[in-house]
Amino acid sequence: EVQLVESGGGLVKTGGSLRLSCAASGFTFSKAWMSWVRQAPGMGLEWVGRIKSQTDGGTTDYAAPVKGRFTISRDDSKNTLYLQLNSLKTEDTAVYYCTTAFVVLPGAMVDYWGQGTLVTVSS
Amino acid sequence: DVVMTQTPFSLSVTPGQPASISCKSSQSLLHSDGRTYLYWYLQKPGQPPQPLIYEVSNRFSGVPDRFSGSGSGTDFTLKISRVEAEDVGIYYCMQSIQVPRTFGPGTKVDIK
Repeated sequence: EVQLVESGGGLVKTGGSLRLSCAASGFTFSKAWMSWVRQAPGMGLEWVGRIKSQTDGGTTDYAAPVKGRFTISRDDSKNTLYLQLNSLKTEDTAVYYCTTAFVVLPGAMVDYWGQGTLVTVSS
Repeated sequence: DVVMTQTPFSLSVTPGQPASISCKSSQSLLHSDGRTYLYWYLQKPGQPPQPLIYEVSNRFSGVPDRFSGSGSGTDFTLKISRVEAEDVGIYYCMQSIQVPRTFGPGTKVDIK
């Protein structure tokens, strides 16, 4: 069974930092491209960024609102994805989801989401 | 960035009746590899999004066949042939042809 379990959320003041983790199991983590998506209270879904597998270069891409402040990394030896949040703003308050999607068979995809972790930034 | 729009904003449906949601993208989602990178998700209250449809019309494993997707280029539709009580929630379309991935604003579906 595939599981994505986020942790590390909490209350932080503006300008502060936080590191989120996503523990993955049930699939070959090292081969997966991983993403973070967030959802502000009562709002829609917003893609935060992604990291490719090391085999595909391990590069990262970010949404404009977080570029330069957030950093996505991975530790394939621990099957864990990270999101380092720096210089936090009140508008970063959201539930942060870890997610991945990949092909399991020709023409068959899977798409998994964690339960999310809440980050609250107060001024 | 690719801008995704959805209509209607909300939908109230009688159980057993059909429902349809439209999604439009500001650019074609047809990739040079021949695939069209349009996804649909349902977010039930208090839950993370659950995937419904990938590449316009392919249901993820376990998704009931009352859900179907269609469209091409920039215009897409999600149809529910007979709405059930468990289908309530917010439906999002998402493009993955380029980064940043972008989602539509969502369509809230509830039961009359």
